[in-house]
Amino acid sequence: DIQMTQSPSSLSASVGDRVTITCRASQGIRNDLGWYQQKPGKAPKHLIYATSNLQSGVPPRFSGSGSGTEFTLTISSLQPEDFATYYCLQHSAYPLTFGGGTKVEIK
Amino acid sequence: QLQLQESGPGLVKPSETLSLTCTVSGDSISSGRHYWDWIRQPPGRGLEWLGYIYYSGSTLYNPSLKSRVTMSVDTSKNQFSLKLSSMTAADTAVYYCVRRHNWRGLDPWGQGILVTVSS
Repeated sequence: DIQMTQSPSSLSASVGDRVTITCRASQGIRNDLGWYQQKPGKAPKHLIYATSNLQSGVPPRFSGSGSGTEFTLTISSLQPEDFATYYCLQHSAYPLTFGGGTKVEIK
Repeated sequence: QLQLQESGPGLVKPSETLSLTCTVSGDSISSGRHYWDWIRQPPGRGLEWLGYIYYSGSTLYNPSLKSRVTMSVDTSKNQFSLKLSSMTAADTAVYYCVRRHNWRGLDPWGQGILVTVSS
């Protein structure tokens, strides 16, 4: 299985901060990586597909980059509604595997 | 509007078999444009992909579940289903059904159904 190591596992930030979350794959996954946002009690919401493409309706303050084994999700200016847990997902090989999650909390 | 909705029991006894159904509206499973996946999330923990089924009935399961999982599809009802046998407390989780595009990823997700394993 491809292991997805996500860091940090949690972070505290203020509204307006720039936030970066990293996912590292145990082997190359091309650009077959997506990012998901989950709020308490809700299903995950798809933010980014194929590493860097914003899902329809996702604000442009979210961006993704990377290739091969290292990927990042950046929130350029954190908004109150962005406090949530974020997961990466690789779909390059089965079984699909998620990162462990990054909880973004209010400082 | 595209929606997926899970249905099934919220409580299962240890050693029993869980049966869940996902009803799809706003898209046709028969189109063959997507895979139909199951994902679960134990309380307070991360996400685990369980497997997929395609409209043709072909499946691929997460080996972590070994031989306990079976997925099926009913294109006439636009539904797909999950069966997980020999349930234990470790299977307590929110179970999600999700549509997956080959390269665009998982979207949308059902709202999820909490399944608790307890006697």
